[in-house]
Amino acid sequence: ETGVTQSPTHLIKTRGQQVTLRCSSQSGHNTVSWYQQALGQGPQFIFQYYREEENGRGNFPPRFSGLQFPNYSSELNVNALELDDSALYLCASSDDQGAGTDTQYFGPGTRLTVL
Amino acid sequence: AQTVTQSQPEMSVQEAETVTLSCTYDTSESDYYLFWYKQPPSRQMILVIRQEAYKQQNATENRFSVNFQKAAKSFSLKISDSQLGDAAMYFCAYETSGSRLTFGEGTQLTVNP
Repeated sequence: ETGVTQSPTHLIKTRGQQVTLRCSSQSGHNTVSWYQQALGQGPQFIFQYYREEENGRGNFPPRFSGLQFPNYSSELNVNALELDDSALYLCASSDDQGAGTDTQYFGPGTRLTVL
Repeated sequence: AQTVTQSQPEMSVQEAETVTLSCTYDTSESDYYLFWYKQPPSRQMILVIRQEAYKQQNATENRFSVNFQKAAKSFSLKISDSQLGDAAMYFCAYETSGSRLTFGEGTQLTVNP
């Protein structure tokens, strides 16, 4: 069974640029959630995708957007990068049924630095 | 809105001893799930243990167990026979329908040899 994978591992961008982060869900999982973890803090929920549709969103501006593909992999896109976007971005997958709850398993994260 | 509070930013324990990490949460929901995740220096978030709110029995996973007090909205983690590999940041997390995890601020656990 393959776990959750994320790419790239590290990324350095400058303010105003755009970035795309990628996540492959664990085998058999149909739901992907994205979290932002600033240094020294707990992760904050960005949004979730279930069967290619957004299924909940946290308190993040519209310049944070996402996609889920038919194979359940996902992308997180951030436009007009700001210095405060520097963080560890975590992807988690689960085998939800759209309204139920199942345990989320996390990938290793992508460390984004905005200069 | 749900909130999760971990009042101990740092804890330390001697190898082979027992330590308890505290967590409280606030919710108006009756059906929810609680988790403890471990984040070592590699930053990979690893599931330690899960508790369903409708279950009265406390969850146990080998050396890890919880004390779930639903009325008090308390969910502490006990680590028995602590090992050097247990050293990490521990996060308490709450989840209700919709699978949105709400995390606490974390407790940094140090294990002394």
